[in-house]
Amino acid sequence: DAKTTQPPSMDCAEGRAANLPCNHSTISGNEYVYWYRQIHSQGPQYIIHGLKNNETNEMASLIITEDRKSSTLILPHATLRDTAVYYCIVRGGNSGGSNYKLTFGKGTLLTVNP
Amino acid sequence: KAGVTQTPRYLIKTRGQQVTLSCSPISGHRSVSWYQQTPGQGLQFLFEYFSETQRNKGNFPGRFSGRQFSNSRSEMNVSTLELGDSALYLCASSSSGTILTGELFFGEGSRLTVL
Repeated sequence: DAKTTQPPSMDCAEGRAANLPCNHSTISGNEYVYWYRQIHSQGPQYIIHGLKNNETNEMASLIITEDRKSSTLILPHATLRDTAVYYCIVRGGNSGGSNYKLTFGKGTLLTVNP
Repeated sequence: KAGVTQTPRYLIKTRGQQVTLSCSPISGHRSVSWYQQTPGQGLQFLFEYFSETQRNKGNFPGRFSGRQFSNSRSEMNVSTLELGDSALYLCASSSSGTILTGELFFGEGSRLTVL
């Protein structure tokens, strides 16, 4: 699976948009980009994923560059409860009926300030 | 719909002992995977089970083992505990529909402290 690079930490003011970048320059054609977050002492929570088109759900938006070498997770109106470690993960699509072993890097600690 | 349930949430063991952790996946989910999380190494994949069969295994010694039952509940066991096994052990489940999407549903974890 492709390696990802994220800044170790970011700050954001409450109510503002939080834009979390991720570089995945070695991504291959069939690999998806996933975002998870982990609030302190809890299990990771799935946020969103995409292949090449931008995606949006009730939690966030995912913007993937045209060359797919980087992406940005956008939390449109960050709240204090969004303070967490955000993980960007790249992995291939399922094949052979086997499940995945998501490789979580260090992630980005997003701190939302009042 | 109940989430992934892990028990126990916290436990303390001493070196050389063994421990068994339990995971009940979301109803209808047949895939269960286990992860170890430590401050130094981050979140590392241990193994994955689907329909009672281990399909993937991470780079952990043989002291780490697991199994899955016919009701999809899973257990992992660590024998001959070492200080370095102190960690948060996370279980995640997925359905056949989410295997392709990669969406995992994690439990709250079992925090193991080895003294």
